Formats: sequence, C-alpha cells, structure tokens
Amino acid sequence: GAVVSQHPSWVICKSGTSVKIECRSLDFQATTMFWYRQFPKQSLMLMATSNEGSKATYEQGVEKDKFLINHASLTLSTLTVTSAHPEDSSFYICSATKGQGSPLHFGNGTRLTVT
Amino acid sequence: QKEVEQDPGPLSVPEGAIVSLNCTYSNSAFQYFMWYRQYSRKGPELLMYTYSSGNKEDGRFTAQVDKSSKYISLFIRDSQPSDSATYLCATSSGGFKTIFGAGTRLFVKA
Repeated sequence: GAVVSQHPSWVICKSGTSVKIECRSLDFQATTMFWYRQFPKQSLMLMATSNEGSKATYEQGVEKDKFLINHASLTLSTLTVTSAHPEDSSFYICSATKGQGSPLHFGNGTRLTVT
Repeated sequence: QKEVEQDPGPLSVPEGAIVSLNCTYSNSAFQYFMWYRQYSRKGPELLMYTYSSGNKEDGRFTAQVDKSSKYISLFIRDSQPSDSATYLCATSSGGFKTIFGAGTRLFVKA
C-alpha cells in the first residue's frame, strides 16, 4: 500500500504558459502533501506543504503566486506553475503522508521543460 | 551545520559486495529514520522506516540507528547492479517536517 501517483511524468511548455501537475494518493488518505523541486544531482528541495482544505505553507524563497497549490481533497493535490519561464524547468516531485510520524511516500516526479 | 549530513559519493563497488551507507544528524529530537532509494528521473522509494534506536532487516537491506552517536546506517548485502541508485537518508521528530540528507550515489559494477 501507500501508492502516490503523479501526472504528467513529463511536460514541455512554452514560456508564459501555465502547467498543472497532479498528485494523488491512490490507496490512502493523505492529511498532508508536500511538493519538492530537485535539480540534477542534488537533493530534494521542499517548496511547500499543503493540508486538505487549507492554504499551503510555502518555504522561504518560493513564490506562492507562481507556484499555486490546491489540496482539494484527502487524495488530491495540484501544483500549477503559472507564467512558466525557462528557469522553472526542473524535476518536481510530490509526496504524501498518512499522518504525523508516518513516512513520506513519493510520486514518480514530473520533468518540466519550459522553452 | 546541516541537520543531516550524508556523503554524496559517488560510491562504486563490485557486484556481490556489502555496501555501507551512513548519515549523521544533529537534532536529538529526531525519532523516526528513513532510507529512500531514488533511480534516475524517478521519485524516491521508501526502503526502510525505523523508530528510535536499533536494527531493522528487510531482505538484503539492514537499517541501523544509534541515537547515542546520532548515526544511521544502511547495509546492502550481496549488492546487485540493479541497486545502483541514489540513496537518501531522512529523519523527523514525528511531526510533518522530514529532513533529508544530500543522497549518496551508488554504482554497483557487474
């Protein structure tokens, strides 16, 4: 159990457009979901924490108006990269947890390329 | 000082070797310890999850936690080329915040 599905796995978009990434917990209810960004050969960088039905908490330096997070249900969170620019090109990974003290379970990531 | 220190490697071993991966942490409040495996262009996969000190074994993998020295280890027995990946240690105090190490890149040569 504890499967997290993330879509799409890769996306190419033009500069100035918006891209939505979905993260679903398939076999458990996720009280909290997290969005990470990962640069090549680097570790995970936490962008924001989202709780169902409330506003996301963004890490310092992450623009909340650029990276819109919606956690509409206990099984779905979305990340929308608005007005994407080439510097937003990266690997975005979501994770979900069943609750405090439970480990994070990750999706397979989305590779975003902005041309 | 980072909260979790992990040597990024790379670590290269021959097939069949015993691999030892290690991390140190600084916060004594950490109670939960995880190891994740991440293949290139994939999300991290949870390998081991332990609470407090002690050992946990799962197949060829053994996780060790020594809270007195704030040292966590992952041992891989009979390593295989398919074990080639980046291994991330992680820890939390039981809340929602998980701290990750930098990840160690492992190469197992056939």
